[in-house]
Amino acid sequence: DQQVKQNSPSLSVQEGRISILNCDYTNSMFDYFLWYKKYPAEGPTFLISISSIKDKNEDGRFTVFLNKSAKHLSLHIVPSQPGDSAVYFCAASDPGSARQLTFGSGTQLTVLP
Amino acid sequence: DTGVSQNPRHKITKRGQNVTFRCDPISEHNRLYWYRQTLGQGPEFLTYFQNEAQLEKSRLLSDRFSAERPKGSFSTLEIQRTEQGDSAMYLCASSGPVQGVYGYTFGSGTRLTVV
Repeated sequence: DQQVKQNSPSLSVQEGRISILNCDYTNSMFDYFLWYKKYPAEGPTFLISISSIKDKNEDGRFTVFLNKSAKHLSLHIVPSQPGDSAVYFCAASDPGSARQLTFGSGTQLTVLP
Repeated sequence: DTGVSQNPRHKITKRGQNVTFRCDPISEHNRLYWYRQTLGQGPEFLTYFQNEAQLEKSRLLSDRFSAERPKGSFSTLEIQRTEQGDSAMYLCASSGPVQGVYGYTFGSGTRLTVV
């Protein structure tokens, strides 16, 4: 049972345009959501997060939106840069699980120069 | 802060052999997590330590897997009688008592190949 789903395995975007990465979840107990970026041969690097009491969090070029009723979140990157090319993982946490993370399967973002 | 260190970076072993991986967390972090990532999937939780106590284990952690964190510092993950299905990237993460999940830092992982 996949509790966190990223249905797009890959996404290509032109440099300077917006990248939108999507994530859906099924567990209503999740109260904290995170996005990680991963380059080959490296561990995931934290990018941005959002608590379930908010619907938007912004950090520079990165904005995460949360729609709790739809159990959906998205990561917007504006403007996209070639250095943003990586695999992006959506992750979720619930308070009753020792704060372990449940990850989606990732989306490979390629930003074309 | 030297980050989370994992050794070795790569391990190739024959089926049936035992392997052990090591994780050195950020020194002031009391929480340590092991995850496993297979090709095309996101990391999956294996086990969690708070200080030296192993507080949670996933059903993914079969009897052939054992993890320790003596003295609440570094941690080891041992796989006995390896199988080809054990081939994966094994990731360690740590976080501090205040940050919890908000302050997860991952290591670069150990890539295991069982031949």
